[in-house]
Amino acid sequence: QKEVEQNSGPLSVPEGAIASLNCTYSDRGSQSFFWYRQYSGKSPELIMFIYSNGDKEDGRFTAQLNKASQYVSLLIRDSQPSDSATYLCAVYTGGFKTIFGAGTRLFVKA
Amino acid sequence: GAVVSQHPSWVICKSGTSVKIECRSLDFQATTMFWYRQFPKQSLMLMATSNEGSKATYEQGVEKDKFLINHASLTLSTLTVTSAHPEDSSFYICSARDGQGVETQYFGPGTRLLVL
Repeated sequence: QKEVEQNSGPLSVPEGAIASLNCTYSDRGSQSFFWYRQYSGKSPELIMFIYSNGDKEDGRFTAQLNKASQYVSLLIRDSQPSDSATYLCAVYTGGFKTIFGAGTRLFVKA
Repeated sequence: GAVVSQHPSWVICKSGTSVKIECRSLDFQATTMFWYRQFPKQSLMLMATSNEGSKATYEQGVEKDKFLINHASLTLSTLTVTSAHPEDSSFYICSARDGQGVETQYFGPGTRLLVL
C-alpha cells in the first residue's frame, strides 16, 4: 500500500521563526511532490510542487526533496500568524492517483 | 494558477432529496477529476476518481449508487448525492488534474451540504 506519512502536530512556532514540516512516502517510484495549505473550513490550496532532488524556493517557502531517503519537507521562513493552517503533503506516484498525507497542523504564535 | 470552481457553495436540503454539485475547471482541460469528502477536524477522504467519458472509480466503502458521478466533458464533473440523509452532511470538495508534466491537482472551493 502506497503511503504518505506526516506528523499530525500541532506544531507550534513563534512569529518570525522557521517552521519545518516533514513528510515521508513509501513508493520509490513517486514522481511529483506537492505541498498544500488548508485553512479551517476551506479547501486545500497549492503552495508549491517539487520533482527534482534538492531545494526549491518560492518566497518564504522552501520545499526540499530527498528521493534516496524518500523524504520531502517544507520550510516556512519568517512565520506569520496567517500561516497557521493544516499543511498537506501529496505525492503523485503515476497512474490516476495522488496520495495525500493526513496533514500537519501549524500554529504560529504572535 | 489554474482555477476550479464548484457550485453551489452551500446547500441545505431535506432528508430524502437529491443534491447535485458541479465542478468545473475554468482555464484548463482536466482529464481526471476527483471528489473528496471532509468531516470537521478530519482528513480529506477520497470518494472517487473520474475520467472524462468513462465510469468513475469509487474508493472502497463509497456507495456508487448513492454518489453518482458524471464526468461529461474535459471541464465538467458532477456529483449527485441521491436520497440524502443527515449522515451525508459534510464538506464536499472536487479537484482537477491538469494532466501536464508534474500532474498538479487543483482544488475547488468546496460545497458544504447540510441535510435536515
